Amino acid sequence: EIVLTQSPATLSLSPGERATLSCGASQSVSSSYLAWYQQKPGLAPRLLIYDASSRATGIPDRFSGSGSGTDFTLTISRLEPEDFAVYYCQQYGSSPPMYTFGQGTKLEIK
Amino acid sequence: EVQLVESGGGLVKPGGSLRLSCAASGFTFSSYSMNWVRQAPGKGLEWVSSISSSSSYIYYADSVKGRFTISRDNAKNSLYLQMNSLRAEDTAVYYCARLGVGATSWDYWGQGTLVTVSS
Repeated sequence: EIVLTQSPATLSLSPGERATLSCGASQSVSSSYLAWYQQKPGLAPRLLIYDASSRATGIPDRFSGSGSGTDFTLTISRLEPEDFAVYYCQQYGSSPPMYTFGQGTKLEIK
Repeated sequence: EVQLVESGGGLVKPGGSLRLSCAASGFTFSSYSMNWVRQAPGKGLEWVSSISSSSSYIYYADSVKGRFTISRDNAKNSLYLQMNSLRAEDTAVYYCARLGVGATSWDYWGQGTLVTVSS
């Protein structure tokens, strides 16, 4: 089973700053199988990025994903007040099919 | 507009059973694989189970295998999760989620239903 480790656990930044969130995998992950979600308190997760770098429908272009192999990154170019939330990376494993999440990064206002 | 609405959560004693439902609308339900994902209070996300569009392929996380059963009724646009032999560690918000294109990530989620297992 592939384990995803997100860093940092908490990131304190100000609106307008750039945020860089990392997701490391214990084994190589196909780029097509890596996604990022945003979750705000009391709400369901929202898909931001799929296939490592493709933005989901309606996601602003300040969100971008990159990476390959065992190292993936979610970048928010200029933080807006509504971006402060918890972010999860997620991977899909095909044999047998299963899905695993990282433990999350909390992005908080500094 | 895609909508997923879960129901059926509640308080149940350890060893008990509960059946969750998810009503889907706004898309062709029978064309998509569907999943259950849960989140324990204050914790991260955990995939629970997946069912293909025609119910031909069903998968479970090891933590629920043998105790939970996923099913769907395409005529009723509904997804279900039968949960038996419930444990305290099954306490969580359970989300119904649609697998998007490529079937590797979830593009739509319900609002969740809380299951509490406690004596």
